[in-house]
Amino acid sequence: DIQMTQSPSSLSASVGDRVTITCQASQDISNYLNWYQQKPGKAPKLLIYDASNLETGVPSRFSGSGSGTDFTFTISSLQPEDIATYYCQQYDNLLTFGQGTKVEIK
Amino acid sequence: QVQLVQSGAEVKKPGASVKVSCKASGYTFTSYGISWVRQAPGQGLEWMGWISAYNGNTNYAQKLQGRVTMTTDTSTSTAYMELRSLRSDDTAVYYCARSGDGVVIGGAPMDVWGQGTTVTVSS
Repeated sequence: DIQMTQSPSSLSASVGDRVTITCQASQDISNYLNWYQQKPGKAPKLLIYDASNLETGVPSRFSGSGSGTDFTFTISSLQPEDIATYYCQQYDNLLTFGQGTKVEIK
Repeated sequence: QVQLVQSGAEVKKPGASVKVSCKASGYTFTSYGISWVRQAPGQGLEWMGWISAYNGNTNYAQKLQGRVTMTTDTSTSTAYMELRSLRSDDTAVYYCARSGDGVVIGGAPMDVWGQGTTVTVSS
């Protein structure tokens, strides 16, 4: 099974800050990686697919990059509505989620 | 609009089975697959498995092999997930999500999600 390791597990940042989350795969997964946002009590929402493609309707302050084993998710300017938990997910071999990163406002 | 609507909350005793439904609308059901994802209280997302609505092919997470069965009814555009021999650690919110291109599990991301079904396992 492919393991996905996200870091950090939580972070606190100020409105307007640049926020970066990393996701490392246990083996090469090319660009077969998606990113999701989940707000409390809600279903997850797709933000980024194929490592770097922004889902339709998602604000451009969200972005993703990387390939192989190392991936990065960035919020260029943190907004209050971005408070959520973010998950990476690989689809190179079945599907696996990272453990999540909880983003809070400082 | 494209949506997935899941069945209501369930309370089950240990050892029982539960079957959750997920009715799709607004798109061609057989052009995609359905993944099932669960989330225990305060925990992260766990992928359970995937079924092709095109040909019924399935892939299950190894830890659930033998206890989970996923099926579809194309006449009603509904997917089902049955979990047997329930234990207390199966208590979770269960989500269905449109996933894959109908043939390949990774052919498309999980872009449409159901509202979630709470399953509580308690004696």
